[in-house]
Amino acid sequence: DTGVSQNPRHKITKRGQNVTFRCDPISEHNRLYWYRQTLGQGPEFLTYFQNEAQLEKSRLLSDRFSAERPKGSFSTLEIQRTEQGDSAMYLCASSLPGNSHEQYFGPGTRLTVT
Amino acid sequence: DQQVKQNSPSLSVQEGRISILNCDYTNSMFDYFLWYKKYPAEGPTFLISISSIKDKNEDGRFTVFLNKSAKHLSLHIVPSQPGDSAVYFCAASAVGGGADGLTFGKGTHLIIQP
Repeated sequence: DTGVSQNPRHKITKRGQNVTFRCDPISEHNRLYWYRQTLGQGPEFLTYFQNEAQLEKSRLLSDRFSAERPKGSFSTLEIQRTEQGDSAMYLCASSLPGNSHEQYFGPGTRLTVT
Repeated sequence: DQQVKQNSPSLSVQEGRISILNCDYTNSMFDYFLWYKKYPAEGPTFLISISSIKDKNEDGRFTVFLNKSAKHLSLHIVPSQPGDSAVYFCAASAVGGGADGLTFGKGTHLIIQP
């Protein structure tokens, strides 16, 4: 399978705990995006990497959120001190350098904070 | 404030007929528009796109129409098939594209009736 992969697919955590998600993009894609989707809404942009550089952050990305892409390949999204409002589907997408509009999404990680 | 609006949460169409999904936008800086299809428990899948320099793009059974003066686009599916039943998201990208991520509507749930 050469698509975007995300792990884990589901995560249940207690409020106050830290969680980390991983995204492996399509191998030749140098751009990687994180989105969050809540029930009844479309995906909302969180942040974007070109290779290892984090170039854009949404206002949705509070100080408790941090994303990395250390070698320009896979990326991690960490949420510290989780809150119930963080419960959502976290989606990762990647795109080719010459066609950044067309983003290819992974299956997402569903986070439930209890 | 929603910059991309899909005002129909759901749409039911008989198999074999035409499905028309609508999308309105408010941001004049958007220059590229996309439609994504999403099945339950999967990430969105890219379907078709259109640049703002065009008013129509066709790919098999799928055609996207763009009316820039009305800030409106639509997706036509002809003929509709049972496998088309999914949630369809309209998305837009601003000038410079990709760097800010995509802005999505809330989605329209298309149901194809046999």
